[in-house]
Amino acid sequence: EVVMTQSPATLSVSPGESATLSCRASQRVSTNLAWYQQKPGQAPRLLIYAASTRPTGIPARFSGSGSETEFTLTINSLQSEDFAVYYCQQYDNWPLFTFGPGTKVDIK
Amino acid sequence: QAQLQESGPGLVRPSETLSLTCTVSGASITIDYWSWIRQAPGQGLEWIGYIHNSGDTNYDPSLKSRVTISMDTSKNHFSLTLTSVTAADTAVYYCAKGPKYFDLWGRGTLVTVSS
Repeated sequence: EVVMTQSPATLSVSPGESATLSCRASQRVSTNLAWYQQKPGQAPRLLIYAASTRPTGIPARFSGSGSETEFTLTINSLQSEDFAVYYCQQYDNWPLFTFGPGTKVDIK
Repeated sequence: QAQLQESGPGLVRPSETLSLTCTVSGASITIDYWSWIRQAPGQGLEWIGYIHNSGDTNYDPSLKSRVTISMDTSKNHFSLTLTSVTAADTAVYYCAKGPKYFDLWGRGTLVTVSS
C-alpha cells in the first residue's frame, strides 16, 4: 500500500498571502497525484490532477508541482473561500487509491 | 453538468447491512468508472471501491470481504452494499466519478451505525 503523508497538519495564513502545502508518498507514484479541497459540510472538489494540471474552472492561483514522492500545492493570494482542508491522493497504484490525512488551512 | 445524489438509510444497526444508491443525472453510467468513498466523522477520505459497466469492479482490500458495488443501467444508478457493519463504519458516504482521480462527487450521505 502507498502511504500518503501531508504537512503541516494545520497552516495558518492571512488573506492575500500564499500557502504551500506538502504531500509525500511512501513510494514513487510518478505524477499520478491529485489534490482536493474540502469545505465543512461539503464534498471534496478536485483541484489538481496529474500533479500539476488544473481542471476547467479551477482558478489559476492554485498550482501543483512535484513528482515521484514529493509534491506541493501552492495557493497564491489566498481568498476567504480558500480556507478549507486539502487532501492529496495517489492513483499510481491503480486500482488501489490512497488519500493523505489532509492539511487544514485556516485564517491567521 | 452531471450530478450525483446518494440515497439510503441514515441509521443501520450493528451487524446488519448498509445499502446506498447513487443516482446519476446528466451523464450515463455506461461510460466511465464510478466509485464509493467514505469519511468517518472528523477523519480523512477512504476509497471503498469502483465499478465500470464492463463488469470491472475493485475494492479496497480492507473492506473487500464485506463490500459489493453493483449498477443498474436502466435506472442510471449504482449501489453500495456493506455487510456486518460496526460503529467503525459510521461515516459520510460519497459517490464519485472517475477511474483514477475523482472529478465529480455527490453531496454525501451520513450513515450512522448504532443500536
